[in-house]
Amino acid sequence: GAGVSQSPRYKVAKRGQDVALRCDPISGHVSLFWYQQALGQGPEFLTYFQNEAQLDKSGLPSDRFFAERPEGSVSTLKIQRTQQEDSAVYLCASSFFPGVRNQPQHFGDGTRLSIL
Amino acid sequence: QKEVEQNSGPLSVPEGAIASLNCTYSDRGSQSFFWYRQYSGKSPELIMFIYSNGDKEDGRFTAQLNKASQYVSLLIRDSQPSDSATYLCAGPRPHYNFGNEKLTFGTGTRLTIIP
Repeated sequence: GAGVSQSPRYKVAKRGQDVALRCDPISGHVSLFWYQQALGQGPEFLTYFQNEAQLDKSGLPSDRFFAERPEGSVSTLKIQRTQQEDSAVYLCASSFFPGVRNQPQHFGDGTRLSIL
Repeated sequence: QKEVEQNSGPLSVPEGAIASLNCTYSDRGSQSFFWYRQYSGKSPELIMFIYSNGDKEDGRFTAQLNKASQYVSLLIRDSQPSDSATYLCAGPRPHYNFGNEKLTFGTGTRLTIIP
């Protein structure tokens, strides 16, 4: 596709349920990022992939959060045993090549997750 | 202190005037900065980046970077109602690892252009 695609756009889950959020980056983009954006805040970094390798997961808030990108393209962010504080918009971004400064990150429209 | 700070606003500017958005950062190691525009319910959209001291102009937008004072700003000339959005300032985390240019965002400034 032309841009970063995320699905679903909206997800409502009950507290304690597991959820899976999908990101389809721009074709050929090596770098993939996940961010969490709370209401009225800027996005906060969660994790980074270079192809299929998860090189940085320092932003994941707890071990309930897990991300993968097994074939170096589509990525899934999974949240187990969801809590109300997990309610946020989850943004995925991709960029063409790592190590090249100032190249833009292209964002998807996000998944708005609401935990009841 | 947050690594990147913005006035959260909201900021209201009459149509046709200049909108000025400001951002400060704490780490002198930060090399480059990005301005993203985010409409409600939409993804952040890159509008400018700057990595050299001074001004960078692109159409109605001018980004300014002052590394000595550790601030970066965005000026929007001839403001239009379509410029009404939240503007996010972002910089790469200063310590690169494996080419990971993860971004640190400010909280965003909500701008409203009044017709």
